[in-house]
Amino acid sequence: DAGVIQSPRHEVTEMGQEVTLRCKPISGHNSLFWYRQTMMRGLELLIYFNNNVPIDDSGMPEDRFSAKMPNASFSTLKIQPSEPRDSAVYFCASSGMGPRNTEAFFGQGTRLTVV
Amino acid sequence: GENVEQHPSTLSVQEGDSAVIKCTYSDSASNYFPWYKQELGKGPQLIIDIRSNVGEKKDQRIAVTLNKTAKHFSLHITETQPEDSAVYFCAASPGGYQKVTFGTGTKLQVIP
Repeated sequence: DAGVIQSPRHEVTEMGQEVTLRCKPISGHNSLFWYRQTMMRGLELLIYFNNNVPIDDSGMPEDRFSAKMPNASFSTLKIQPSEPRDSAVYFCASSGMGPRNTEAFFGQGTRLTVV
Repeated sequence: GENVEQHPSTLSVQEGDSAVIKCTYSDSASNYFPWYKQELGKGPQLIIDIRSNVGEKKDQRIAVTLNKTAKHFSLHITETQPEDSAVYFCAASPGGYQKVTFGTGTKLQVIP
């Protein structure tokens, strides 16, 4: 397996534009997580899905952020409209489900810069 | 909810010396404690984990210890090498990965 695949690796956009980040989890994993990483706040969990269903989105900063998982092999994180403070590295991770499935595998991240 | 504190935030050691990173957690229900290593430009990767039914676990040059009474757990790296240079995150969970809470990270620099 190629691991968790994120695209794009880098994204530079102007303030106010819509940004869509994409993630393909590891085949067979049924949990998917979106994280944001900044120097100031570290790794923050934004949202996670179990079996394509959003379970906890309490980390989503505001209504400008939305995430979908239309099927087991694809998820998107959308920011509309984007703001400079959204600049960060966004990670997607996947894992098996249940108390014994404890390892999460991270993608290489998308570095977002909003100017 | 769970709160995980991690110290130090930065750590520099000479190659061959040992490095120790310490974490505390607040939720007594937490029973799973993974450690992740993040190299520059990459996502975090699990390097070792420990469950609350053991006090220590070793994997080659890496060891983790857990004191459930004090709610402390630590990562020990012996005979450090330059490739150990990275950011290390501790985490705690009451069960499964879904409820993992990460610490703030320790940037380890191993000086050749």
